Amino acid sequence: KAGVTQTPRYLIKTRGQQVTLSCSPISGHRSVSWYQQTPGQGLQFLFEYFSETQRNKGNFPGRFSGRQFSNSRSEMNVSTLELGDSALYLCASSLGRGAQETQYFGPGTRLLVL
Amino acid sequence: AQSVTQLGSHVSVSEGALVLLRCNYSSSVPPYLFWYVQYPNQGLQLLLKYTTGATLVKGINGFEAEFKKSETSFHLTKPSAHMSDAAEYFCAVRVSGGYNKLIFGAGTRLAVHP
Repeated sequence: KAGVTQTPRYLIKTRGQQVTLSCSPISGHRSVSWYQQTPGQGLQFLFEYFSETQRNKGNFPGRFSGRQFSNSRSEMNVSTLELGDSALYLCASSLGRGAQETQYFGPGTRLLVL
Repeated sequence: AQSVTQLGSHVSVSEGALVLLRCNYSSSVPPYLFWYVQYPNQGLQLLLKYTTGATLVKGINGFEAEFKKSETSFHLTKPSAHMSDAAEYFCAVRVSGGYNKLIFGAGTRLAVHP
């Protein structure tokens, strides 16, 4: 089975721009979660989507948004980029059936905001 | 609120020596606990997880961890370090009622020297 894929892998943007990142989960997985990883704040949960609905959200400003499509692929969008948004953005997928299950992470998208 | 503390941001061991990475959690309910490893420029890979049952959990690459409720600990060990174990290791707890939201520790960077 193919793993979680994320596109693009690297991205450079300037302040004020917006960006869209994409995540394709493992086939059959219906839950997609997004995390931000920075040297200062570590790994922080952004949000989770399950069956096209956001069912959990972290403590991030409204500039961070996401969606999930009927094929479980997910996108996250960051508007009005700030320098502090520079980070590795990771998505993870799982079946979405219970708390015991494993989340499988993609390789991440590294975003640099100049 | 649930939280995870990893003692020691950097650990250095000799090849062949014991690896011990410490993780303490805070949870008001029985937790689900995970250890992930991250190699440079890659996503997170699950090493092992504790959900219920046996408190000694064996994972991939010779790693294991023991869940000790009385000590609220979930330390990761490997009897003999290999150069390829050099990476960053993250302990995480699944938030109860939070579906797939993981709370991560700050991470421990493991260096293995000859």
